[in-house]
Amino acid sequence: AQSVAQPEDQVNVAEGNPLTVKCTYSVSGNPYLFWYVQYPNRGLQFLLKYITGDNLVKGSYGFEAEFNKSQTSFHLKKPSALVSDSALYFCAVRDNPTFSGGYNKLIFGAGTRLAVHP
Amino acid sequence: NAGVTQTPKFQVLKTGQSMTLQCAQDMNHNSMYWYRQDPGMGLRLIYYSASEGTTDKGEVPNGYNVSRLNKREFSLRLESAAPSQTSVYFCASSEASRAGGNTIYFGEGSWLTVV
Repeated sequence: AQSVAQPEDQVNVAEGNPLTVKCTYSVSGNPYLFWYVQYPNRGLQFLLKYITGDNLVKGSYGFEAEFNKSQTSFHLKKPSALVSDSALYFCAVRDNPTFSGGYNKLIFGAGTRLAVHP
Repeated sequence: NAGVTQTPKFQVLKTGQSMTLQCAQDMNHNSMYWYRQDPGMGLRLIYYSASEGTTDKGEVPNGYNVSRLNKREFSLRLESAAPSQTSVYFCASSEASRAGGNTIYFGEGSWLTVV
């Protein structure tokens, strides 16, 4: 079965420092991977996705993610964190189309809370 | 530029009461979804509608029903609310494609408390 794991419940980083939010996945077939961000009392906002091609994917708000097939990881990164980046981050993988009628249902990780301190 | 709109934003129900969460999208998407979010569990799929006229169960469908009213609207009904259904509910939509890389767009959420 497809699954995604976010091993850290919370990540703390000082403003201006680089940040990494970790994600590992388990899929059969080609992985389609996504990152979403959720600010307090808001819906999820799409940040970026990996479908195919370059392993380094650039997204919104200066975020990027690196797809690593050998380590089955898709870590989210940003070179210089902002206090406004503090939010809940979700990694997601597309469900196996064989079991979902070919349509892209997402399976989400439990989320990682990012706290950026001034 | 509304995207996905869901109502109500907040609701308190008594155990056994029924209610319907409404959702509409203006992006001409074929697929729509209902997720619930609980602390430490991420988002779990309740039901989805791959296209107008079809609905299918997700991971946690028990206690819920859905209606795909038309291409724009996808409602979620709790027939007899239980405290275990206290959660934040998100409606979402996307293009329908067997290529599967389409982005799913989410509404702002509905906070439901069952007492």
